[in-house]
Amino acid sequence: GAVVSQHPSRVICKSGTSVKIECRSLDFQATTMFWYRQFPKKSLMLMATSNEGSKATYEQGVEKDKFLINHASLTLSTLTVTSAHPEDSSFYICSAGTSGGVETQYFGPGTRLLVL
Amino acid sequence: DAKTTQPTSMDCAEGRAANLPCNHSTISGNEYVYWYRQIHSQGPQYIIHGLKNNETNEMASLIITEDRKSSTLILPHATLRDTAVYYCIVRVGGRTPLVFGKGTRLSVIA
Repeated sequence: GAVVSQHPSRVICKSGTSVKIECRSLDFQATTMFWYRQFPKKSLMLMATSNEGSKATYEQGVEKDKFLINHASLTLSTLTVTSAHPEDSSFYICSAGTSGGVETQYFGPGTRLLVL
Repeated sequence: DAKTTQPTSMDCAEGRAANLPCNHSTISGNEYVYWYRQIHSQGPQYIIHGLKNNETNEMASLIITEDRKSSTLILPHATLRDTAVYYCIVRVGGRTPLVFGKGTRLSVIA
C-alpha cells in the first residue's frame, strides 16, 4: 500500500512553545489529508481536513488558531500546535488518500507529543 | 458518531481463523465498509474494504451480508502479530474522512 510518513515520531516540549508536525505522502500525491488526535485508551478523533492550496476545515471544538494546518504541496501537510500546554499532550496521526475512484486512506505512524 | 457496532473484545487461538463481526444496519447504498487495525502506539493500518461483494486480499477476507447490514472480517490464520484493535468503518467514496468508533480489541493467544 501507499506510504505516509510523519516527523517527528515523538517530541517533548515546554509549556508555551510551538511544535510543528510534518505529514508526507511518500509515493503518491494527496490533495486532501486528515489530522487526528488520540488520547490513551481512546479511539482516534478527527481534528481537521487539510486541503492543498486552501484553508483547512476544522471539526467542531477544535481551535483553528491553536492547531495551525498548512498544506503547501500535494505531498506535505503540517500541523503546528501553538503555545502548547500539558493538555495538548497526545498522539497525533495524519492520513492521506490515494486519488481517483474509491479513495483509500493511509495513515502515518503518528507523533507522540508530551508538553511539560 | 460512528455508524457501526462491534464487540469490545475477542480472543483467538494462534493459527485459527479470527472472525470479527460488525453491524452497520443504517448503511447507505453509496457507503463502503472499510476495515483498519491499530497495533499499540502505531498509526492505523488499512486492511480491506468492500461495497456489496465479498472481498479477499493477502491480509484478510471481507464477507458482507446480502442486505449489507453487517459484515465479518476474517483473518484466516491468526498470528500473535495480529493482536490489535480492529475498526470497522462505513464511509462514502471520495475524499471524506474516516470516523472511528471504539473497535474490537483482538487478542491472539499462543
